[in-house]
This record gives sequence, C-alpha cells and structure tokens, in this order.
Amino acid sequence: KAGVTQTPRYLIKTRGQQVTLSCSPISGHRSVSWYQQTPGQGLQFLFEYFSETQRNKGNFPGRFSGRQFSNSRSEMNVSTLELGDSALYLCASTRDASQETQYFGPGTRLLVL
Amino acid sequence: GESVGLHLPTLSVQEGDNSIINCAYSNSASDYFIWYKQESGKGPQFIIDIRSNMDKRQGQRVTVLLNKTVKHLSLQIAATQPGDSAVYFCAELFNQAGTALIFGKGTTLSVSS
Repeated sequence: KAGVTQTPRYLIKTRGQQVTLSCSPISGHRSVSWYQQTPGQGLQFLFEYFSETQRNKGNFPGRFSGRQFSNSRSEMNVSTLELGDSALYLCASTRDASQETQYFGPGTRLLVL
Repeated sequence: GESVGLHLPTLSVQEGDNSIINCAYSNSASDYFIWYKQESGKGPQFIIDIRSNMDKRQGQRVTVLLNKTVKHLSLQIAATQPGDSAVYFCAELFNQAGTALIFGKGTTLSVSS
C-alpha cells in the first residue's frame, strides 16, 4: 500500500507570495492533518480535515488555510508569505478514529526569501 | 500551556547498548501517546504507541513505558544499532474529537559503532 505522498517536495517563494501544498493520504484514510516543523518551534499542529470538513485547528493565523476533497486528498494554502513561514510542512493521515496511528508523508520544504 | 517535552536533547550510545529516551507530559487528560522516529530529510515514522489504560507495551526491540502518576513516558531501544540514529519525538493526543497531536521537542540519538 502506498504511503502518504506530498507535492512538491521543495519550494522557494518570496515574501508576499502565496503557496499551495498538496497531500494524498494512504488509500482508505479519510483524515488528514497538517503540521509545521521548524527548528525553533518543533512540530506544531495546523489543522485536521475529515470528510471534507475541518475538524480541528491549531493556533496559526488565518493566512494558513486548507481544504479536503471528496477523494480525501488535501491541500493547504499559505497567503502573504512571511520569512518565518519557512519550514517543513508535514501531513499525516489516519483511517478515521481519533486514536488511530498517524502516518506521515515526507513533507514539503518551503523556503521564503 | 500544555506541552510534551523530552528530558535530553541529545543521547549518544555505543552500538549494542540499550537506549532510554524520556518524555514528560503535562496534560493528565491525554490518553494516547506515540513515539516517532525522524531521519534526516524524512517525515516522522511511527515506532510504537500506548494508551493510558496500559503501563507497558512492547514491539520489536522497542518498549514504551507509561507512568501516569508522574506523567512520564519512556522509549527503550534494545541492542541499539547505527540505523537507530535519528531524532525521536514523543507525542500526545490533544483532542478526543480529532487527531491534533502535541509533540515534544525531540531527542537526537547518535549511535556509534
């Protein structure tokens, strides 16, 4: 069974631009969560989608948004990029229950110049 | 605020030794805990999990211990190998209605042969 895939793997943007990242969960998984990983803050929860609905949201500004499609694929968008948005963005998928194991993708490395 | 932390940022061991990585959590209501391993350039990889109704769980060469009295979690790796070198994170489930994991800051395990 294929794992979680994320595209693109690497991205370079400039301040003020916006970016869209994509995540395809493991086949049959309906929940997708997004995390931001930085050296200073570690791994922080952004939001979670289940059945095309945002079920949980972390403490990030409204510039960070996401959505989920009917095939469970998810995208996250960051608008008006800031230097501090440079990070590894990870998505994880689970089947559906809240205590199922979360499987992570390889991440998208975003650099904002 | 609520957080999950690790006692040591780095741990160096010799090949063949047993490794113990510790984690303290602060949310006594958390009832699901996970250990992840992250190698350079990759996303976190699930190692083992434990629910709060257990105090010990064993996997292949790994054991997780949970002490709810002092809110402490540990990961024991038997016969540590060079391939075990990575950053290890503990995480707790924050919200029963979703999959918002709270991660600790990580311990870097270095195994020398």
